[in-house]
Amino acid sequence: EAEVAQSPRYKITEKSQAVAFWCDPISGHATLYWYRQILGQGPELLVQFQDESVVDDSQLPKDRFSAERLKGVDSTLKIQPAELGDSAMYLCASSLHQGRNGYTFGSGTRLTVV
Amino acid sequence: AQSVTQLDSQVPVFEEAPVELRCNYSSSVSVYLFWYVQYPNQGLQLLLKYLSGSTLVKGINGFEAEFNKSQTSFHLRKPSVHISDTAEYFCAVTPLRTGFQKLVFGTGTRLLVSP
Repeated sequence: EAEVAQSPRYKITEKSQAVAFWCDPISGHATLYWYRQILGQGPELLVQFQDESVVDDSQLPKDRFSAERLKGVDSTLKIQPAELGDSAMYLCASSLHQGRNGYTFGSGTRLTVV
Repeated sequence: AQSVTQLDSQVPVFEEAPVELRCNYSSSVSVYLFWYVQYPNQGLQLLLKYLSGSTLVKGINGFEAEFNKSQTSFHLRKPSVHISDTAEYFCAVTPLRTGFQKLVFGTGTRLLVSP
């Protein structure tokens, strides 16, 4: 069964440092999503791509977060500088048909900022 | 905009007992509805979805959910739970319209199954 690949699985970083997460969606899935899940809460959308274009980044803290999907395949989410409140699970997902049949999620990256 | 309310943050239940996890949503347009399960330190796995047609939807692992439009609910049920069903369960909605839409999640319900 096809999977969404994410790396690293776990990341510990000091505040004010830069950190990056990588996601490789299921082959052929044009839509890619980055969600943030704070402990004890549901996931919240940070950014949505259709191919290489951003279609929704309204909840992305653009002063410190950036996301790219240069060739419309894999994607990188970056935080610089990291803050203590950024500690969370960062989930990548991909979908066909703009998500109307549901998304396939990766295993996530657990970020701890110390 | 859409929103999802999961009324119970935690549901304790004994093994082999039935369980219902409640989900209510708010939307000014029709929606697609989903239930996802998340095991510790894992991503989310799709349990079942309602797109159209029969309001009773069957999913994986013996779970089912019923869409009730008048009550704007999509409660998840299982007639007999196993220890392995212990996990976090998320209800989610996305609007039924063209264009790019996002999946909006509830805050989750932790199902705790004990022997």
